[in-house]
Amino acid sequence: DVKVTQSSRYLVKRTGEKVFLECVQDMDHENMFWYRQDPGLGLRLIYFSYDVKMKEKGDIPEGYSVSREKKERFSLILESASTNQTSMYLCASTPAGRGSVNEQFFGPGTRLTVL
Amino acid sequence: GEDVEQSLFLSVREGDSSVINCTYTDSSSTYLYWYKQEPGAGLQLLTYIFSNMDMKQDQRLTVLLNKKDKHLSLRIADTQTGDSAIYFCAENPSNTGKLIFGQGTTLQVKP
Repeated sequence: DVKVTQSSRYLVKRTGEKVFLECVQDMDHENMFWYRQDPGLGLRLIYFSYDVKMKEKGDIPEGYSVSREKKERFSLILESASTNQTSMYLCASTPAGRGSVNEQFFGPGTRLTVL
Repeated sequence: GEDVEQSLFLSVREGDSSVINCTYTDSSSTYLYWYKQEPGAGLQLLTYIFSNMDMKQDQRLTVLLNKKDKHLSLRIADTQTGDSAIYFCAENPSNTGKLIFGQGTTLQVKP
């Protein structure tokens, strides 16, 4: 079974803090994604990566950065947390290749509260 | 641009059928997906349909695809309280693996 793990289920931080959210997948997937989920807005893509050291902006990258030093790990960084970044953060991975179903496998999510 | 639209809420009684609807804009997706999110959890793939199919049935689930109208639906027969969750439809433009999700439909099942 594919497993995607996220470092924390719940996190509380203060405004201005630097926040790291870690995501690890164990199925050698090339593609990894970070979303935030807010009620009524669905999932919004923050950043994604198709390979090690490669990153691309999603729909809402402002205030975030990412790091992918190893294939299995994709980190989301909030350089200076703000209250409007309070949200549920979801990580996902998927194998590359046009022959696949391209199903995304999700982690359990991190609920971040910024005070 | 790419867009996926769903209604936000559906309430049904236990034992009834539920139908969740979705419209999408991209015609290049080889697959279209339904994901389920239970409270406090991540999303899990519930089912998917190949774009050259009109219907797919999997036990209590029936997916209908109308490519002309770009409309996708998920029918859950004999809905149970354990089906209470948020359901997301998604398209896969140009089959890149970068999925576009709808807003999610919260299904409430009343006993």
